[in-house]
Amino acid sequence: EAQVTQNPRYLITVTGKKLTVTCSQNMNHEYMSWYRQDPGLGLRQIYYSMNVEVTDKGDVPEGYKVSRKEKRNFPLILESPSPNQTSLYFCASSLRQLGADTQYFGPGTRLTVL
Amino acid sequence: DQQVKQNSPSLSVQEGRISILNCDYTNSMFDYFLWYKKYPAEGPTFLISISSIKDKNEDGRFTVFLNKSAKHLSLHIVPSQPGDSAVYFCAASARGGGADGLTFGKGTHLIIQP
Repeated sequence: EAQVTQNPRYLITVTGKKLTVTCSQNMNHEYMSWYRQDPGLGLRQIYYSMNVEVTDKGDVPEGYKVSRKEKRNFPLILESPSPNQTSLYFCASSLRQLGADTQYFGPGTRLTVL
Repeated sequence: DQQVKQNSPSLSVQEGRISILNCDYTNSMFDYFLWYKKYPAEGPTFLISISSIKDKNEDGRFTVFLNKSAKHLSLHIVPSQPGDSAVYFCAASARGGGADGLTFGKGTHLIIQP
């Protein structure tokens, strides 16, 4: 089954404790990205990757890092989480960069930073 | 400054009737528009899209209309069914449908009443 998986689905942590949210897709997609969804703000793109070892900033990259060492994985790293990073996070992938209408989203990770 | 606006946070429609969800945008560089549907505890899924060279695109019960002069698009669902109850996000791209740089609206929660 074609899918994007994220782990963990729920996470409660404390300020400053490094964490990683994993994202994996099984569709051999070139393009992957991370979004955050906040009440009253819709989805905002954090980072994206057009292919292995190619990443770029989205609209709200501050406080986040990503890496793309393999095609299927695109982890989101919070080196020193802060309460304003409490949010619902979605990973997404599509066959190519020019493929917004083929974009698959993961089920989401709800992060709370105390 | 919000470039994609969905001014109705929620909309309630009777089953069998037409649902009309609206979206306005301010950036005249947007040339591709998409609607995504999101159920609770799931990621968004692509629903329908339209290029700026068209004014209408239809897919089964779903039709998207684009009025470029008014910078307005709408999603029509006819007839509305209980399974259509979800949050609908309007999104716009200035890169011909590129998955990077998508700008999302805040979403409209559609509730289909039996």
